Amino acid sequence: DAGITQSPRYKITETGRQVTLMCHQTWSHSYMFWYRQDLGHGLRLIYYSAAADITDKGEVPDGYVVSRSKTENFPLTLESATRSQTSVYFCASSEPRTGRANEQFFGPGTRLTVL
Amino acid sequence: DAKTTQPPSMDCAEGRAANLPCNHSTISGNEYVYWYRQIHSQGPQYIIHGLKNNETNEMASLIITEDRKSSTLILPHATLRDTAVYYCIVRVVGSARQLTFGSGTQLTVLP
Repeated sequence: DAGITQSPRYKITETGRQVTLMCHQTWSHSYMFWYRQDLGHGLRLIYYSAAADITDKGEVPDGYVVSRSKTENFPLTLESATRSQTSVYFCASSEPRTGRANEQFFGPGTRLTVL
Repeated sequence: DAKTTQPPSMDCAEGRAANLPCNHSTISGNEYVYWYRQIHSQGPQYIIHGLKNNETNEMASLIITEDRKSSTLILPHATLRDTAVYYCIVRVVGSARQLTFGSGTQLTVLP
């Protein structure tokens, strides 16, 4: 039962560089989400995806790009990293068709620092 | 989603029951109460949910008042590993949009 994994777990990059955070889930859940959590704050949704090739913006999408060519993967790309994107990034998945749409399963997080 | 109110922090002695309250006075008839927790530096974890009946699983019990305006999450025998931020979330079942996490309650289990 591998579940949901994220890589890398820690990343340090410089302003202006492109960074891709990976998320992989083994449950074939249709929905996947990217959240960011800043120190001392709650989670904010960046993007989500209802199925392969279907993505939509969340609360804070600016500066981020997502894709979902396969159901199990949902990479998040920072096109040109800025210091304000220093945060912990969580990926999550859920499967509404089971009647458990609000049971989201979260990955361990990626701690990103932009210098 | 209905608004929820939780105390910012609580302490509990190890081995004792931890009772975490949540007010959701504007809850609608088709909204469920969900509880998640976030242990330091980890992703949030689903605990339990319910509509109007009390619910119990291997992790916790959920008691919802008859008028559904408040609920209590009960950890029957708290351990040090239960130290976490606990979030009460109210939302319509089947709504597959993002979860909205408020401030939650920081539960500290004391040895």
